[in-house]
This record gives sequence, structure tokens and C-alpha cells, in this order.
Amino acid sequence: DSGVTQTPKHLITATGQRVTLRCSPRSGDLSVYWYQQSLDQGLQFLIQYYNGEERAKGNILERFSAQQFPDLHSELNLSSLELGDSALYFCASSVGAGETYEQYFGPGTRLTVT
Amino acid sequence: QQPVQSPQAVILREGEDAVINCSSSKALYSVHWYRQKHGEAPVFLMILLKGGEQKGHDKISASFNEKKQQSSLYLTASQLSYSGTYFCGTHEETSGSRLTFGEGTQLTVNP
Repeated sequence: DSGVTQTPKHLITATGQRVTLRCSPRSGDLSVYWYQQSLDQGLQFLIQYYNGEERAKGNILERFSAQQFPDLHSELNLSSLELGDSALYFCASSVGAGETYEQYFGPGTRLTVT
Repeated sequence: QQPVQSPQAVILREGEDAVINCSSSKALYSVHWYRQKHGEAPVFLMILLKGGEQKGHDKISASFNEKKQQSSLYLTASQLSYSGTYFCGTHEETSGSRLTFGEGTQLTVNP
């Protein structure tokens, strides 16, 4: 158990809908990262927040948005969902924001768009 | 720029050794290694930093050739529990804290 929690574990929704994925980092971690992993694919970096501020952005679609709240939990919002958005979405956290910090991954949210 | 991992897959018998490679065409600040078992979250193994510093598990060894922008993960005396997909993630010197992962190397250890 990494100490990172994600809810929900599974989500099934229809195309065109909007969903929110939630992540709570490990106690003491200030950075939160979001990744997308499609079927047997690698991890695609979406976005990073550090202490409430956006720190780095990957190939995140305009239909996707995220934020980190004052209590450091983070939410990833996915809207106008398409079949291709079906994937595992991981949240990770680290103590700091830079390249020297290991990331601890949550169990993931499996999103299925039908 | 996504790093390239090799081999894509490797099958071992318990007790055998393996080397997994990761290379980038960009100047790197650090290389991270993670292992993911099917359906589970990636688990941190090691960080190798420019300048030679390393952080990670005592039983894992790896190297980082800064001149070639290459890293290798050494798995010795493999155990059944080593099975999984190994990902390297790289921090480019110009990309800030963004970590870019390779496609992964699938390792299977058989009895």
C-alpha cells in the first residue's frame, strides 16, 4: 500500500458524459501527478500540481482539467467522454516537485466509456 | 521525447540474470525505474541522478551513463516475484519535473 488513495476504483459511463476522479496523496506529500494508461500501454503524463499550483503539463486534452485543493487532494475532471478515453488513470504523489523525488502511485481508477 | 526500452520482453528461469536498458536522445537529469504487475499500480524501484547519486532499494542495481543518456537496470538471481513490466521514466534537462515513461519491458520469471 503506497498511501495514495484514489476513488472510485471503477467507473463505467457513456460517451458524452463527464466524470470526476479523486486522489488523496500520501501524508506529507505536496506534489500530485496524473497519468493515463491505456490497454497494455505505457504511462502517459497528464499534469502535475505542487502545493495547489499547476507545475507541469503533459499531453492533456482540453476536455480534461484538474485541480489541487488546499487540503492537497486532487481531482481530475474528464468531460465530453469518448470511447478512446477508456483507460486506467493513476494518481501519484511525491514529497517535492522536482526530478529527484520518487513518485508513489495510487491503485488507479479504471474508466470504461461505452 | 519518449525513452526507448530494450528488450521489449524477456523470459527467465528463476535464478537467472537480466538487464533492461533505457535510452534517450535528449540530455537527461534523472532516470527513474518502476515495476508494475498486471492490474496493479507501478512501484518505485530506483532513481539515478546526473552526477552519480542514486536512491532506491538495496536489492536493485542500476547504472546511468550520462554521456550516452542511457540507463540499465540489473536484475540478478531473479525470483518469481520479479515478474512484471518494468518502466523507465526520464526527466529531460529542459522539461522541468515532467517524467516521460518508456513503453515498458515485460519480464517473466518461470520456476
